[in-house]
Amino acid sequence: EAGVAQSPRYKIIEKRQSVAFWCNPISGHATLYWYQQILGQGPKLLIQFQNNGVVDDSQLPKDRFSAERLKGVDSTLKIQPAKLEDSAVYLCASSLGQRTTNEKLFFGSGTQLSVL
Amino acid sequence: AQSVAQPEDQVNVAEGNPLTVKCTYSVSGNPYLFWYVQYPNRGLQFLLKYITGDNLVKGSYGFEAEFNKSQTSFHLKKPSALVSDSALYFCAVIEDSNYQLIWGAGTKLIIKP
Repeated sequence: EAGVAQSPRYKIIEKRQSVAFWCNPISGHATLYWYQQILGQGPKLLIQFQNNGVVDDSQLPKDRFSAERLKGVDSTLKIQPAKLEDSAVYLCASSLGQRTTNEKLFFGSGTQLSVL
Repeated sequence: AQSVAQPEDQVNVAEGNPLTVKCTYSVSGNPYLFWYVQYPNRGLQFLLKYITGDNLVKGSYGFEAEFNKSQTSFHLKKPSALVSDSALYFCAVIEDSNYQLIWGAGTKLIIKP
């Protein structure tokens, strides 16, 4: 079974530049998540999609972050403009069902972003 | 508000010895509890979960966790540690009436030969 695919693996940009990350979840998984993981901290949920609708984006800094999941499959996360504090690993995860409650999440390897 | 705490930033264990990684939680309803492991430069991998039923949950790679409702704890255990168990371990909790997964800060487990 193919896992969650993410690209790029690494990205280095200067502050105020824009960047985009791509995620392809496991085939058939209805729910897709974007997490931000700052070094030394646990993952922080940025946005959760159920099919192509947003379930939770309460912690997404909407003035600079945006995400979409067209056709309920692939997803992109964009940062524009980037700040130094956005340096982190961005993890994409997916789960089979409609709710997180008791399902396990499958994670991609993440995109490590460095903002200089 | 629900929360989860991992009181130890790092745990050091000699190979072959038993290991315990601690996790405590706070929720107002019934908790669903998870352990995930993160190897260097890899995404998180599911280890085990507690939903209901038997308080001792068995998971991947020989790990198990014990749910203790009175102490609001869900400690991860393994009878005999391997060097390959060295990784970052995360505990997470979700309340049954709330669908947001809350993560601990992680515990770095180092197994020395």
